[in-house]
Amino acid sequence: ILNVEQSPQSLHVQEGDSTNFTCSFPSSNFYALHWYRWETAKSPEALFVMTLNGDEKKKGRISATLNTKEGYSYLYIKGSQPEDSATYLCALEGGANNLFFGTGTRLTVIP
Amino acid sequence: DGGITQSPKYLFRKEGQNVTLSCEQNLNHDAMYWYRQDPGQGLRLIYYSQIVNDFQKGDIAEGYSVSREKKESFPLTVTSAQKNPTAFYLCASSIRDGYGYTFGSGTRLTVV
Repeated sequence: ILNVEQSPQSLHVQEGDSTNFTCSFPSSNFYALHWYRWETAKSPEALFVMTLNGDEKKKGRISATLNTKEGYSYLYIKGSQPEDSATYLCALEGGANNLFFGTGTRLTVIP
Repeated sequence: DGGITQSPKYLFRKEGQNVTLSCEQNLNHDAMYWYRQDPGQGLRLIYYSQIVNDFQKGDIAEGYSVSREKKESFPLTVTSAQKNPTAFYLCASSIRDGYGYTFGSGTRLTVV
């Protein structure tokens, strides 16, 4: 089992603010780090899969970085919008393509 | 459209009864997975299958069983041996290696 910790547990921001949250892990012994967005009453949706130290990925206003040496990944949202409200899950990919998930960061964007 | 279908969305069962949750995908993905979510915990892996007619236990397989007779289908049976079956169950699939999972919309099982 790969331990994954996410912080903060929940977060409220005003529309237009930028925000970021953290995924931390004690070991670099994994194949990839995944980020998912999970909106209420919907299925989790894959955002990014990162494999290399120093990886940076971007999708619109959302970006992510990976630092395997220090054991963390950041997810950034620029200019938050109400539709960004969701739970953001981080997961480490171990052997056999299995994912080990953190408990998520629940983001609420206030209009 | 391609995707994963889980049914039913809500399921109620009496204690001691076995119940089977359905998961079907038309994405032609090789690998399929079952996860369970409980309040305050991350998704935990129950079973996974990387190929037809083969499956492996995840971290919390006790009290569950699966089959993978077709590539498209990976049903999960919650048996009476599962001590705390009330939970939210998510099915997922993936192309092997390097790609994200595609998830179903989940089944909420309540055992009374």
